[in-house]
Amino acid sequence: DGGITQSPKYLFRKEGQNVTLSCEQNLNHDAMYWYRQDPGQGLRLIYYSQIVNDFQKGDIAEGYSVSREKKESFPLTVTSAQKNPTAFYLCASSIFLQGAYGYTFGSGTRLTVV
Amino acid sequence: ILNVEQSPQSLHVQEGDSTNFTCSFPSSNFYALHWYRWETAKSPEALFVMTLNGDEKKKGRISATLNTKEGYSYLYIKGSQPEDSATYLCAFYAGGTSYGKLTFGQGTILTVHP
Repeated sequence: DGGITQSPKYLFRKEGQNVTLSCEQNLNHDAMYWYRQDPGQGLRLIYYSQIVNDFQKGDIAEGYSVSREKKESFPLTVTSAQKNPTAFYLCASSIFLQGAYGYTFGSGTRLTVV
Repeated sequence: ILNVEQSPQSLHVQEGDSTNFTCSFPSSNFYALHWYRWETAKSPEALFVMTLNGDEKKKGRISATLNTKEGYSYLYIKGSQPEDSATYLCAFYAGGTSYGKLTFGQGTILTVHP
């Protein structure tokens, strides 16, 4: 079955450490996205990518970095510069970047800084 | 940053009740409005993508309407069942300079009591 796989489901990080969240899709979708969810807030866009080797900052990109070396993969690195990294992170993909097509989401990674 | 508001924040209904909730979004630069259902411990699932003013979409007991001139969409659930319990998210796509960005509301949490 086609879908998006995010790993790990839960992640604990010590303050000052970088950590990378994995997102893989086998849907042959061109566009991929990373969102962050905090309690009581809507999903907020961190980064998105339309094609391999190209990505754009979303609304809250500071303290995060991404890469898109393969169409299937869009890993997100939470760096030590991210001041409040504890959150739930969702990866998504869509056929095209323009918004007339629904997104397919992964099941998310909950990151906790300890 | 665009403002997408959903109301109410949470809703408790009895099995068999019909219910509806609202998504408000900017009426300018409209391109598409998405609705997603997000059950606990699962991935958000696309319900509808609506692009035309006056659009009405239906999926089983769930339907949605769209008014782009006044900037709102309603989601209706007829004869709610316990399995309808979920968070319902709407998301606005503006196109233009917001190319690639879906802006999400904070969601409406629906609980259907047997």
